[in-house]
Amino acid sequence: QVQLVESGGGLVKPGGSLRLSCAASGFTFSDYYMSWIRQAPGKGLEWVSYISSSGSTIYYADSVKGRFTISRDNAKNSLYLQMNSLRAEDTAVYYCARDGTRGPNWFDPWGQGTLVTVSS
Amino acid sequence: QSALTQPASVSGSPGQSITISCTGTSSDVGSYNLVSWYQQHPGKAPKLMIYEGSKRPSGVSNRFSGSKSGNTASLTISGLQAEDEADYYCCSYAGSSTRVFGGGTKLTVL
Repeated sequence: QVQLVESGGGLVKPGGSLRLSCAASGFTFSDYYMSWIRQAPGKGLEWVSYISSSGSTIYYADSVKGRFTISRDNAKNSLYLQMNSLRAEDTAVYYCARDGTRGPNWFDPWGQGTLVTVSS
Repeated sequence: QSALTQPASVSGSPGQSITISCTGTSSDVGSYNLVSWYQQHPGKAPKLMIYEGSKRPSGVSNRFSGSKSGNTASLTISGLQAEDEADYYCCSYAGSSTRVFGGGTKLTVL
């Protein structure tokens, strides 16, 4: 079955870095655009970043632009999010989600999420 | 982009119908037929319930339906069941491959 499994979350100090990974299985990963979405504790969902199937097209939310980098390795069926200059407000559960095949559309399915806590 | 506007909470009794609204602008909801709805139970990942405004994924109950008028999208749940109690989020394409979510609506089944 289609499955996404995130890893790499944890506790990091403000200004620090963290790299999240998302392992995909059960579908042809290289056919799909992928996104990262986050949810701060007790808050709503926030779209973070998006990468095309080939990796050639990338977009970021303004809140993370210049600090986060999305990438993918289609040979490893994996999606990544490199997070630098982390701030307290980046504390959230980060989900990876499968996006469209020809562009952005809807998110299905989602991974179980990985918690990132930014605190001194 | 600003978040889409949803009511913070709605409630209904078993068997009743409820509707959750999602108001955006002419730059997002009003311009694209790419509104999706997600159900999230506590401690769980969101689940797609409606895509392209009114389409249901395979496996989603036909008690769930979506619609759009102008800058406002709506999710209707008919025949409310206890298992429908959850948070619901709308999401819209907002141009340049960006997406914007609503603030979420907590549904309580009385």
